[in-house]
Amino acid sequence: SQTIHQWPATLVQPVGSPLSLECTVEGTSNPNLYWYRQAAGRGLQLLFYSVGIGQISSEVPQNLSASRPQDRQFILSSKKLLLSDSGFYLCAWTREGTEAFFGQGTRLTVV
Amino acid sequence: DQQVKQNSPSLSVQEGRISILNCDYTNSMFDYFLWYKKYPAEGPTFLISISSIKDKNEDGRFTVFLNKSAKHLSLHIVPSQPGDSAVYFCAASSDGNQFYFGTGTSLTVIP
Repeated sequence: SQTIHQWPATLVQPVGSPLSLECTVEGTSNPNLYWYRQAAGRGLQLLFYSVGIGQISSEVPQNLSASRPQDRQFILSSKKLLLSDSGFYLCAWTREGTEAFFGQGTRLTVV
Repeated sequence: DQQVKQNSPSLSVQEGRISILNCDYTNSMFDYFLWYKKYPAEGPTFLISISSIKDKNEDGRFTVFLNKSAKHLSLHIVPSQPGDSAVYFCAASSDGNQFYFGTGTSLTVIP
């Protein structure tokens, strides 16, 4: 069966520090991968999605970036965090035309 | 620009009654719609979906209705149970790759 792992579950980082959140998928190959952010009043905002290794599409311009170094690995990064980057970050995967399966999420607090 | 909107941030319903959650979208290219349920500090889980070739899809206590001319869909839960208390997100896609989520409706089922 397919599973998705996302870590860490919680993270407190100072303003200006770097960020790296990792997501891996097991039990499937060539998934579509996504990073979402849930912020109050904004629902689930699509940040990045990837249909293959090295292929990243950005939905929202910001100081975050994403990379897909391997087929089942998706990384969300920032060189310098802002206070406004605080939120609940979710990784998800799909096969084309099916529902998305989400990880457990990472609660990021920038202080 | 929010392409998928849920205008009711919260809803309270008595146990045993019907819960109706609403969702509106603006992009006429969307042809696949999904509902997700989310508990605090967890990733959303898939609930039910509908494609644009149908106007109704039923799965147990959950029914999704789609009105393409009004660009509106709704989720009916009958009968509502306390365990249904969660945040519900609707989502839409036009290509099966990108999913756009609404802002969510927090449902409370009162015992």
